[in-house]
Amino acid sequence: EAGVTQFPSHSVIEKGQTVTLRCDPISGHDNLYWYRRVMGKEIKFLLHFVKESKQDESGMPNNRFLAERTGGTYSTLKVQPAELEDSGVYFCASSQSWGDEKLFFGSGTQLSVL
Amino acid sequence: RKEVEQDPGPFNVPEGATVAFNCTYSNSASQSFFWYRQDCRKEPKLLMSVYSSGNEDGRFTAQLNRASQYISLLIRDSKLSDSATYLCVVNIPGGYNKLIFGAGTRLAVHP
Repeated sequence: EAGVTQFPSHSVIEKGQTVTLRCDPISGHDNLYWYRRVMGKEIKFLLHFVKESKQDESGMPNNRFLAERTGGTYSTLKVQPAELEDSGVYFCASSQSWGDEKLFFGSGTQLSVL
Repeated sequence: RKEVEQDPGPFNVPEGATVAFNCTYSNSASQSFFWYRQDCRKEPKLLMSVYSSGNEDGRFTAQLNRASQYISLLIRDSKLSDSATYLCVVNIPGGYNKLIFGAGTRLAVHP
């Protein structure tokens, strides 16, 4: 069974540019999460989808970040325009159903904003 | 004060040693607790959940002390392959899998 996959694994962009990260959760997993780790900090929650609906987006840092999960399958996280402080590792995770606390993480996207 | 605090280490131990990591959390209403393992430049992976009664999985034992808001992980008979960062993770009340991660404790097991 394929795990959570994220694309790209690395992205280097200039300040002011736009970047879109993609996450494919494990097939059949209704719950999809985005987390990120910025340099020297802990991994922090960004948002949670249940199928195509945003359940909780309280961790999104500002309106430069837009997450979508059309059709309830894969998700994208767009940063527009990117700022230097957005650099970090963006992790996606999924879990099967409500009440399932076992999260499976993808290997992350390393974003570098120069 | 951080919501989840851990000693960053590193803990350098020889193979076969027993090592213990501790973690404290600030929100007394927290309900679920976990230890995750993260290898260098890899994703976090669930090592074990932590229950009030304590739980064991092979060489790993996790304990929870709600009164002191304290979680521990004990690794017995350390292996080289145990070298990693161990993340203490708490699920905040009212947040579904809105996990709060500690910064992690680094373990290096040497021959």
